[in-house]
Amino acid sequence: NAGVMQNPRHLVRRRGQEARLRCSPMKGHSHVYWYRQLPEEGLKFMVYLQKENIIDESGMPKERFSAEFPKEGPSILRIQQVVRGDSAAYFCASSPLPPAGANTGELFFGEGSRLTVL
Amino acid sequence: SQQGEEDPQALSIQEGENATMNCSYKTSINNLQWYRQNSGRGLVHLILIRSNEREKHSGRLRVTLDTSKKSSSLLITASRAADTASYFCATVSGFNKFYFGSGTKLNVKP
Repeated sequence: NAGVMQNPRHLVRRRGQEARLRCSPMKGHSHVYWYRQLPEEGLKFMVYLQKENIIDESGMPKERFSAEFPKEGPSILRIQQVVRGDSAAYFCASSPLPPAGANTGELFFGEGSRLTVL
Repeated sequence: SQQGEEDPQALSIQEGENATMNCSYKTSINNLQWYRQNSGRGLVHLILIRSNEREKHSGRLRVTLDTSKKSSSLLITASRAADTASYFCATVSGFNKFYFGSGTKLNVKP
């Protein structure tokens, strides 16, 4: 059972270009989370999605950032018109649907996509 | 912010010593989890403690939770050089909402 797959692992963009980061969750997992991490810092929550639904996007900047998790295919984090401040590692994590009435479970992380904006 | 805050930010110890990291948080939680991150890698789950539990063990790991003080601690006993990594607490609240702290960077010297 493959783990959470993120690609690309490294992405270089010039200011103003678009960045698309992909995340394939573990098989059977229906929840996807995106986090951003600056060097030597913690993970900042961005968005929480289920298939075809955004559950919580309270951590996502209102402009230039969007995320989707379609019925088929990977979850996509899209950053339009990138700026230097968008340079960071973006981590995706997945979890299975928790049992009814339960709120437990762990997250399974990918190895991250490192975005560098020149 | 709902995020946990770890303390200390950095910890350097000798192999064989114990390492203790603390996590404080602000809101009510369903459970609290600890994760480890090796440099340049993704996070790996270590241990979960539910809000109605006070202590939990897993191998060389011991986690405590004090919901009245909104704090948790992670103890790694008999540390090894391979334990060198960053450690994060994650609070889980609401429906599957995970918030991570800023982490403790542990360096275990051989």
